[in-house]
Amino acid sequence: AQSVTQLDSHVSVSEGTPVLLRCNYSSSYSPSLFWYVQHPNKGLQLLLKYTSAATLVKGINGFEAEFKKSETSFHLTKPSAHMSDAAEYFCVVTGPYTGGFKTIFGAGTRLFVKA
Amino acid sequence: EAQVTQNPRYLITVTGKKLTVTCSQNMNHEYMSWYRQDPGLGLRQIYYSMNVEVTDKGDVPEGYKVSRKEKRNFPLILESPSPNQTSLYFCASSLHRGSGANVLTFGAGSRLTVL
Repeated sequence: AQSVTQLDSHVSVSEGTPVLLRCNYSSSYSPSLFWYVQHPNKGLQLLLKYTSAATLVKGINGFEAEFKKSETSFHLTKPSAHMSDAAEYFCVVTGPYTGGFKTIFGAGTRLFVKA
Repeated sequence: EAQVTQNPRYLITVTGKKLTVTCSQNMNHEYMSWYRQDPGLGLRQIYYSMNVEVTDKGDVPEGYKVSRKEKRNFPLILESPSPNQTSLYFCASSLHRGSGANVLTFGAGSRLTVL
């Protein structure tokens, strides 16, 4: 069975400080993992993806994530937050399952950035 | 421009009045999917389609229908809407049949209110 848990529903940081958004996953198969961002009143946009290549994945806008199989984690980080990073972030796992294919979204983490 | 187009973007309707939310993509994608987004629950998959005339239930299919008569279109039908279907709906597509390496392209969303 597949599942995704985003460990924080809200994260608040000050501008210029590091960002850490946590994601743990469960999958019976080797999963593909994604982070998407949703700005207010917008659709979802891909930040980065992991598909069994390098475990440290770099995305857009300075974000990166590290796939840690032993910890079943795929945490999203950014060294220095910007006001424009304020948004909701979704961790997503995809992969085969018996009889089909599943895409599962985490519940989301809302990032607040204080000036 | 490559995109997924949903209509209407906003709709207020009454219980029991059939409605259709259209979704069209211009990228020749095989895979299309519908999600609903509710606060604290992330995105949940309603239905998906691997290709023309091939559809399958997601995690929350009750009260919805879909069809895939053409590759580019994947309408979501609410035969008899109820207030618990008030939500934000997203259509998404990807190139191949649910391959984990393929990125989902999302529409801008359709906010539906059922009174």
